[in-house]
Amino acid sequence: SYVLTQPPSVSVAPGQTARITCGGNNIGSKSVHWYQQKPGQAPVLVVYDDSDRPSGIPERFSGSNSGNTATLTISRVEAGDEADYYCQVWDSSSDQWVFGGGTKLTVL
Amino acid sequence: QVQLVQSGAEVKKPGASVKVSCKASGYTFTGYYMHWVRQAPGQGLEWMGWINPNSGGTNYAQKFQGRVTMTRDTSISTAYMELSRLRSDDTAVYYCARVGVFGLVVVVAATYGLDVWGQGTTVTVSS
Repeated sequence: SYVLTQPPSVSVAPGQTARITCGGNNIGSKSVHWYQQKPGQAPVLVVYDDSDRPSGIPERFSGSNSGNTATLTISRVEAGDEADYYCQVWDSSSDQWVFGGGTKLTVL
Repeated sequence: QVQLVQSGAEVKKPGASVKVSCKASGYTFTGYYMHWVRQAPGQGLEWMGWINPNSGGTNYAQKFQGRVTMTRDTSISTAYMELSRLRSDDTAVYYCARVGVFGLVVVVAATYGLDVWGQGTTVTVSS
């Protein structure tokens, strides 16, 4: 089965840029989606199809995907960005959707 | 507005079954795939499968094959997820979530992510 690997945690100071990676075999050939989840809340889609943003998501959230790594970039990080972030793809070979293990973003 | 409203919390004994409902409103229920995702306490998100609300066709995660059944009632715009032979490690919050594009083509849907989520249903399995 297809595996997505995320770092367990990322820390960043307010106003700086946070980068959260998602590794997978030839992930660059897949569409990657990113979700933000705050404690006690349902996940929220923040980036889909590698780099598109749903309406209402700030431009500070952006994504890229190439080779074996996809990246969610959060610019000018705010305290309210502190949350868990999950990447997700569809593995066409098995017709299964897969989530990464999640990354806890801490704003120092 | 588009929303998904799930049924309330459940407490079940090991070996029992649970059926969670997800009522959709504000959009054409039969035009969007519906997925189910769960999250055990302190753990990450786990994909369980999807249902095509138009045809009733399903695709389940291999882990849940034989234990999960996803159905729908189009007359009331409601999707259901039933999990049988419950174990303690099935204790989790269960979410329904809609794919973010109208149209029931698997390859296209896979490029849009899950844009609307239910509030979650807590299922506790305990003897």
